[in-house]
Amino acid sequence: SYVLTQPPSVSVAPGQTARITCGGNNVGSKSVHWYQQKPGQAPVLVVYDDSDRPSGIPERFSGSNSGNTATLTISRVEAGDEADYYCQVWDSSSDHVVFGGGTKLTVL
Amino acid sequence: EVQLVESGGGLVQPGGSLRLSCAASGFTFSSYSMNWVRQAPGKGLEWVSYISSSSSTIYYADSVKGRFTISRDNAKNSLYLQMNSLRAEDTAVYYCARDKCSSTSCYGPWGQGTLVTVSS
Repeated sequence: SYVLTQPPSVSVAPGQTARITCGGNNVGSKSVHWYQQKPGQAPVLVVYDDSDRPSGIPERFSGSNSGNTATLTISRVEAGDEADYYCQVWDSSSDHVVFGGGTKLTVL
Repeated sequence: EVQLVESGGGLVQPGGSLRLSCAASGFTFSSYSMNWVRQAPGKGLEWVSYISSSSSTIYYADSVKGRFTISRDNAKNSLYLQMNSLRAEDTAVYYCARDKCSSTSCYGPWGQGTLVTVSS
């Protein structure tokens, strides 16, 4: 089955740029989606189809995807960005949705 | 406003059954595929099941196939998950989520979730 690998944690100072990676075999050939989940809340879609942003999501959130790595980039990080972030793809070979293990973003 | 509200969670013994519901409002429910995603306490997200808008296509995660059944009633704007032969490892918050991306399967919005606890 297809596997997505994320670092367990990423730390960044306010105002700096956070990059969260999502590794998978030839993930660049798939569409990657990213979700933000704050404690006690449901996940929220922040980037879809590699680099598109839903309405209401700040431009500070961006995504890229190439080769074996997809990346969520959060510019000018704020305290309110502290959350768990999950990447996700649709694996057409198995007709299954796959989530990465999640990355906890800590704002120092 | 688009809204998804789950219900039906609770405490159930191993081997028991439970039926979750998800009430949709604020959009044309019959036009969207829907999904169930769960999250065990302190763990990550796990996709559970998918159902197309007309119920013609259904998929399950390997961990629940043969035990769980997804269904929908477009006339009632409702999504369901019938869970049988429940195990301790099925303990989780269960979210319903609307398909946003259709062909690439991204989700938005999500409901607030309902907690299922399987324990004796």
